[in-house]
Amino acid sequence: EAGVAQSPRYKIIEKRQSVAFWCNPISGHATLYWYQQILGQGPKLLIQFQNNGVVDDSQLPKDRFSAERLKGVDSTLKIQPAKLEDSAVYLCASSLERSTDTQYFGPGTRLTVL
Amino acid sequence: AQKVTQAQTEISVVEKEDVTLDCVYETRDTTYYLFWYKQPPSGELVFLIRRNSFDEQNEISGRYSWNFQKSTSSFNFTITASQVVDSAVYFCALSPFYNQGGKLIFGQGTELSVKP
Repeated sequence: EAGVAQSPRYKIIEKRQSVAFWCNPISGHATLYWYQQILGQGPKLLIQFQNNGVVDDSQLPKDRFSAERLKGVDSTLKIQPAKLEDSAVYLCASSLERSTDTQYFGPGTRLTVL
Repeated sequence: AQKVTQAQTEISVVEKEDVTLDCVYETRDTTYYLFWYKQPPSGELVFLIRRNSFDEQNEISGRYSWNFQKSTSSFNFTITASQVVDSAVYFCALSPFYNQGGKLIFGQGTELSVKP
């Protein structure tokens, strides 16, 4: 069974530029999560989708971050404009359902903002 | 408040030593789930175990074992006869059952270095 796919793996941009990350969850998984992991810290949830609806985006900086999950499968996370403090690894995870199911993570996208 | 504390930032052992990674959590929920994930240098978080708050039985899987003690709010992870391939950052995480999203609340992680 294929795991969670993410692209790109690495991205370097200048501050104030925009960037987008893509995630394809495990087939059949209804719930998709985006986490931000700053160096030396544990991941922190940015947004969670159940099918194509948003369940929790309370920690998403909505003035610059946006995410969508069209057709309840793939998802895109965008940052516009990027700030230096957005340098982090962006992890996508998926689970069968929410609340209690195990989340499986993709390889992440390492973003560097110069 | 929901919180996970991994007090050990870094641990270094020599191959074949046993090592225990500590995890202490805080939650007011009576029903919750606890997880351990491994993050090797490649960066991907690898699922190791999930336990619910009503199951306090210790679990063993090969060289890995987990000790869940609700009385002390701890969920410790022991690697027996450590190997170089065990070198990674290990995260403990909490998922409160009644949290709508089922989001994971992670600790800061413990970086384990196993030297040959």
